[in-house]
Amino acid sequence: EPEVTQTPSHQVTQMGQEVILRCVPISNHLYFYWYRQILGQKVEFLVSFYNNEISEKSEIFDDQFSVERPDGSNFTLKIRSTKLEDSAMYFCASTIRLGGSEEYFGPGTRLTVT
Amino acid sequence: DAKTTQPNSMESNEEEPVHLPCNHSTISGTDYIHWYRQLPSQGPEYVIHGLTSNVNNRMASLAIAEDRKSSTLILHRATLRDAAVYYCILRVGNQFYFGTGTSLTVIP
Repeated sequence: EPEVTQTPSHQVTQMGQEVILRCVPISNHLYFYWYRQILGQKVEFLVSFYNNEISEKSEIFDDQFSVERPDGSNFTLKIRSTKLEDSAMYFCASTIRLGGSEEYFGPGTRLTVT
Repeated sequence: DAKTTQPNSMESNEEEPVHLPCNHSTISGTDYIHWYRQLPSQGPEYVIHGLTSNVNNRMASLAIAEDRKSSTLILHRATLRDAAVYYCILRVGNQFYFGTGTSLTVIP
């Protein structure tokens, strides 16, 4: 069964450093997403990406965040200058179409900012 | 502002049916209702989704109220592997709005 993969599984970084979280969505999917989940809290939408551009973003997704699909398979989330409060699980997801279709989530990357 | 409201936790005996309720009183006509579950240290896993009509799949059933302001996820026979946090989610446009979820405990 096809799956979304994410690397690394755990990333530790110092405050102020840049991090790039990587995702490989399912190959024939067209819509891509990043979510985050702070420990003990609910999953929060960050951004959606379609046709090589951001289609929607939440208020969490400020100028410190950016997304890119540098080639036909990878989808990345960059945090320019990490803060302590960026520590969370980050999930990538993809889907083939909008509305009534299933989103496939990756296993997540745990980001720890020290 | 929460778009979905769920009980924090529920318990079920193994092999018994489980009904997980969700309120989404601000739902609009084009918003899909999705249910996902999450095991510890894993990403959310799709369970079922619907728009207006009740839905069945191999994992569960989804009963949607006629006014669409609430829905119920039905697990027909709970197993120990069904113990997870179950999220009732509204898909609004291109965004998923997760609730805080219901933590389901299955008692052997």
